[in-house]
Amino acid sequence: QIQLVQSAVEVKKPGASVKVSCKTSGYTFSNYGIIWVRQAPGQGLEWMGWISAYTGNTDYAQKLQGRLTMTTDTSTGTAYMELKSLRSDDTAVYYCARSNFFSGGGFIYYFDYWGQGTLLTVSS
Amino acid sequence: DIQMTQSPSSLSASVGDRVTITCRASQNINTYLNWYQQKPGKAPNLLIYAASTLQSGVPSRFSGSGSGTDFTLTISSLQPGDFATYFCQQSYSGRPFTFGPGTKVEIK
Repeated sequence: QIQLVQSAVEVKKPGASVKVSCKTSGYTFSNYGIIWVRQAPGQGLEWMGWISAYTGNTDYAQKLQGRLTMTTDTSTGTAYMELKSLRSDDTAVYYCARSNFFSGGGFIYYFDYWGQGTLLTVSS
Repeated sequence: DIQMTQSPSSLSASVGDRVTITCRASQNINTYLNWYQQKPGKAPNLLIYAASTLQSGVPSRFSGSGSGTDFTLTISSLQPGDFATYFCQQSYSGRPFTFGPGTKVEIK
């Protein structure tokens, strides 16, 4: 079955960096994209960015440009999300998800399989 | 960027009730609209994509409709496992793929 398994809890100090992994299984990794979404405590879902597992092309949310890097390792089917210069408001649960699409005249992207989430706490 | 709003932000309902949640986009997004359910401490779960297509394995009591700027998610007969928060998400005209703020469905 399709699974996305994320790395464990992270605790970082302000100014540090974090790299979260998302190991996939059960499907052909390079045929889909991966998106990253975060959710601050008690808040909604914030789309962070997308990476094509086939080309490595990325698209990041404007507010995270310059601090966010997404990469993939096609040999292991793993996606990575690195966030630098961490601040307290980066404290959140970070999710990866598979980006699939429905072709009905255009490409309607949706996220059909999700990782379990990685809690990042940024605190001095 | 396209902004998404949802109403109500929360609602109380009983098992067996028919529940309708509304999502509105700040511009025409055709049917580029998806719905997710999220339970506390869990990742979101895809319910409906392309406004009205039920994801495999999702019970048929869930349905979606709408096009353009206004969309609805309907639960025809609320079950105990349906108490959760529901998010809409648009994927029109490239990224960012913004989410709505969520609607929390609580037990009356």
